[in-house]
Amino acid sequence: DSGVTQTPKHLITATGQRVTLRCSPRSGDLSVYWYQQSLDQGLQFLIQYYNGEERAKGNILERFSAQQFPDLHSELNLSSLELGDSALYFCASSEGTGPSGANVLTFGAGSRLTVL
Amino acid sequence: AQSVTQPDIHITVSEGASLELRCNYSYGATPYLFWYVQSPGQGLQLLLKYFSGDTLVQGIKGFEAEFKRSQSSFNLRKPSVHWSDAAEYFCAVVFGSGGYNKLIFGAGTRLAVHP
Repeated sequence: DSGVTQTPKHLITATGQRVTLRCSPRSGDLSVYWYQQSLDQGLQFLIQYYNGEERAKGNILERFSAQQFPDLHSELNLSSLELGDSALYFCASSEGTGPSGANVLTFGAGSRLTVL
Repeated sequence: AQSVTQPDIHITVSEGASLELRCNYSYGATPYLFWYVQSPGQGLQLLLKYFSGDTLVQGIKGFEAEFKRSQSSFNLRKPSVHWSDAAEYFCAVVFGSGGYNKLIFGAGTRLAVHP
């Protein structure tokens, strides 16, 4: 158990729908990161939050949004879902403001989204 | 452009054989380098990291990696592979961009182990 908790583990939905993925970081970690893992794109960085504020942005689609709440848990919202959004979505957390040699990311087990 | 390349998509080795997984990066500054492992149905687990000091770093599960600045490489090695090492291995590099750091992953190398 890495200490990073993601729910749900599996989710099946239809095109055009909206889903919310939830992440609780490790105790003491202030940063939360979201990654998407798909067969064709590999592991893609989506977005990072630090202590409630957006810190860095990657290849996140406009249909996707995220936020980090005062208790530091984070949610990734995916809307107008398409078949190509089917993927494994990872959350990671770290103590500091961004990844570095000393500030290592710890990953959760992921949420597998299937869009039919 | 900043990039991480893992040239081998699939590698198959026999149990007990040695292993080397290749990783190259493109970055102007000295990078922070990592290897993660993903077992089937699992999340990503950190094997080892390099950010300064000795260029040969030891990790968990008997893995080691060597940073070679001249070759922009950070290859992962294990002297004797066990069947339980079958997994996907990702090299990752921290790149700085616009005042922020981002951890970027290579495409991964899937390792199969024959008995």
